[in-house]
Amino acid sequence: QVQLVESGGGVVQPGRSLRLSCATSGFIFTNYGMHWVRQAPGKGLEWVAVIWYDGSKTWYADSVKGRFTISRDDSKDSVYLQMASLRADDTAVYYCAGAAAAFIDSWGRGTLVTVSS
Amino acid sequence: DIVMTQSPDSLAVSLGERATMNCKSSQNVLDNSNNKNYLAWYQQKPGQPPSLLLYWSSTRESGVPDRFIGSGSGTDFTLTISSLQAEDVAVYYCQQYYSLPITFGQGTRLEIK
Repeated sequence: QVQLVESGGGVVQPGRSLRLSCATSGFIFTNYGMHWVRQAPGKGLEWVAVIWYDGSKTWYADSVKGRFTISRDDSKDSVYLQMASLRADDTAVYYCAGAAAAFIDSWGRGTLVTVSS
Repeated sequence: DIVMTQSPDSLAVSLGERATMNCKSSQNVLDNSNNKNYLAWYQQKPGQPPSLLLYWSSTRESGVPDRFIGSGSGTDFTLTISSLQAEDVAVYYCQQYYSLPITFGQGTRLEIK
């Protein structure tokens, strides 16, 4: 079955960097656009970034543009989120999500990132 | 950016009764070239990730019970649960995928009365 497993979360100081990974299985990875969506504690869902199924395009929320970079490694069926210049308001559960069509149809369980000194 | 606004913020309904929640987009999300509304609904149960309920505003994802009904077009959409079950307690989010950035509504929290 479809599985997305995030890793790499933790506690990080403001201004530092962190790299999240998402390992996938159970579907044809190269057919999927891959997203990151985050959820601050007790809050709603905020879309963060997307990378096209073929890696040709990326798009970011304004709140992370210039600080976060999404990438994919099709040989490992994995997607990544490199986060730099982290701020307290980046604290959230980060979900990896997949989209075979235009909409997100599968989600990982998330990894918690806490930005705190 | 397209702003998605859900109402109400919270809702309490008795078991077996109908639950109705709304979602309004600040811009049209209907593509007239294919007559599809680029609107999805997600359910998030406590302590779990979101899961897809409906896409193209009214198409149920595989395995979703037929008591979940999506309707609406253009800028105004509705999610109806025809007969509320205990396992439907969750937060429900609408989301537009008509244009980037993808945007979510703030969520409607559904509880049992």
